[in-house]
Amino acid sequence: GEDVEQSLFLSVREGDSSVINCTYTDSSSTYLYWYKQEPGAGLQLLTYIFSNMDMKQDQRLTVLLNKKDKHLSLRIADTQTGDSAIYFCAESHDAGNKLTFGGGTRVLVKP
Amino acid sequence: GAVVSQHPSWVICKSGTSVKIECRSLDFQATTMFWYRQFPKQSLMLMATSNEGSKATYEQGVEKDKFLINHASLTLSTLTVTSAHPEDSSFYICSASADTEQFFGPGTRLTVL
Repeated sequence: GEDVEQSLFLSVREGDSSVINCTYTDSSSTYLYWYKQEPGAGLQLLTYIFSNMDMKQDQRLTVLLNKKDKHLSLRIADTQTGDSAIYFCAESHDAGNKLTFGGGTRVLVKP
Repeated sequence: GAVVSQHPSWVICKSGTSVKIECRSLDFQATTMFWYRQFPKQSLMLMATSNEGSKATYEQGVEKDKFLINHASLTLSTLTVTSAHPEDSSFYICSASADTEQFFGPGTRLTVL
């Protein structure tokens, strides 16, 4: 079955860049997503990328996809304290269809 | 973006009682809704896929008689945890599908005493 893996924790200083990594096993994954979850809240979609793309940039967020290695990363430029949260990567076969989530990476931004 | 609400936000109940959680898409119609559960400091695990007007599709290991899902309209899906036990205590999150995106509700925290 599908498997999505993430590192558990990332600590970064305010103003630095953060890079969160994710690997997945399902080669038929079509859509790859990054979600943000703040304490006690639901998930907020940050960005997504189609499997036929290598990179997508949206303001401070840059997503890189290495389809050969099944590796996805999210770079947050100029990280702020408000970026402290848990970040989940997820994959699906079809747009709007069920998602398989990674375990989440807890990002702590230090002033 | 589209808004999905859940009600209640949190609920505490006694063991053996049933609890109903509502998931509503407020400004769009969703033919498909999903129910996830999340244990503390863990990821979201899909429980079931709910399609309007048809039976829900449950993931392996999820008891359909314990977690009853009803998707009666294009804007409402309900999850009923029947005969709840302390091990059912969790954060339940729904999402509603619109085109290429899923929009998530804020979650319902269930505590079973």
